[in-house]
Amino acid sequence: QITLKESGPTLVKPTQTLTLTCTFSGFSLSTSGVGVGWIRQPPGKALEWLALIYWDDDKRYSPSLKSRLTITKDTSKNQVVLTMTNMDPVDTATYYCAHSRGARPDPWGQGTLVTVSS
Amino acid sequence: NFMLTQPHSVSESPGKTVTISCTRSSGSIASNYVQWYQQRPGSSPTTVIYEDNQRPSGVPDRFSGSIDSSSNSASLTISGLKTEDEADYYCQSYDSSIWVFGGGTKLTVL
Repeated sequence: QITLKESGPTLVKPTQTLTLTCTFSGFSLSTSGVGVGWIRQPPGKALEWLALIYWDDDKRYSPSLKSRLTITKDTSKNQVVLTMTNMDPVDTATYYCAHSRGARPDPWGQGTLVTVSS
Repeated sequence: NFMLTQPHSVSESPGKTVTISCTRSSGSIASNYVQWYQQRPGSSPTTVIYEDNQRPSGVPDRFSGSIDSSSNSASLTISGLKTEDEADYYCQSYDSSIWVFGGGTKLTVL
């Protein structure tokens, strides 16, 4: 059974850097074809894809947010970390991580709400 | 990159059939698989259709997916609507490992 769980701060100040960790079980990020992606959802709004990292350390980013995002993995710890710089109130959202195989996110973690406010 | 456009909302009565569309703005809808996700309030999205028309185990056969190259769109059809189907539905596809989500459709079963 694949499970993922997001963790990190619930509140960050504008201009700060957000660091989120996705801890997973039930699969290995060293298995060919496997990836972990991050997706966010502002309150009452649509899903927005952020970043994706593959088993071979190939990384992909949303073109609109690429300059602010970094995704890394620690295969031994079964963790993927996403950092987002220069946080703004419009970045307030629930952040999800998800397992990926075949370019589709499934399953998803429970999500973590991050509020950006001074 | 391309966009996926969905109707903002649809509504239908229990027992009826509803279809939600997802139109790709550029590039062929058939070039990359389309997935559909159901999201109930307060919950994470779950897959109801993957690879255009495949149903995960546990998803009722009332849910079906298709693509139409002539309109460059994908569709999610839910037949025999139940009140429990009331949720937000998102289509998703990709290109060069860039994921794209549609804007979501709120399904009301009334």
